[in-house]
Amino acid sequence: DAGVIQSPRHEVTEMGQEVTLRCKPISGHNSLFWYRQTMMRGLELLIYFNNNVPIDDSGMPEDRFSAKMPNASFSTLKIQPSEPRDSAVYFCASSLILLAGGEQFFGPGTRLTVL
Amino acid sequence: DAKTTQPNSMESNEEEPVHLPCNHSTISGTDYIHWYRQLPSQGPEYVIHGLTSNVNNRMASLAIAEDRKSSTLILHRATLRDAAVYYCILRGSSSNTGKLIFGQGTTLQVKP
Repeated sequence: DAGVIQSPRHEVTEMGQEVTLRCKPISGHNSLFWYRQTMMRGLELLIYFNNNVPIDDSGMPEDRFSAKMPNASFSTLKIQPSEPRDSAVYFCASSLILLAGGEQFFGPGTRLTVL
Repeated sequence: DAKTTQPNSMESNEEEPVHLPCNHSTISGTDYIHWYRQLPSQGPEYVIHGLTSNVNNRMASLAIAEDRKSSTLILHRATLRDAAVYYCILRGSSSNTGKLIFGQGTTLQVKP
């Protein structure tokens, strides 16, 4: 199994541009999570999906952020317009939820720099 | 979500055991204790989890206090590769969504 796949691995863009981050979860997993990590705020959960349905997006910082999961094998996190304070490492994770024991498998992350 | 408290940092010598403590005095009866670690420049990875009984796996052992208000992650023989940030997380079973809330964790330094 290739694990959770994220693309791109690095993204450098200018303020005001649209940014789309992509994630392919592990086949057979039914939950997908998007996290953001910065030095100041640590690792924050942005949004998660169960069976392709968004369950909790309370961590999404503002309306500039949106996430979709059109099918079980693909998800996107979009930032429009991007701002320098969005610079961070964005992780996607997937899991097979079985009560409270399902471990999350994280991707390698996308390092986003907004100039 | 119940909160956990961990030391900011710890040091260990290579090939010696490491005991990483975690306090969770407000844990509820249905909260599982999960440990993840994050190696430099990588995403977090699962280490171990437990509810009431001590647990062992190929990576580590988890010792849970009888009152469940604290737990200890035990690395039996630390290697340089174990240098990472270790996160202790409580995860409720009441909602089976798998949501994890990460704190600041403990940064473990392993000296050769």
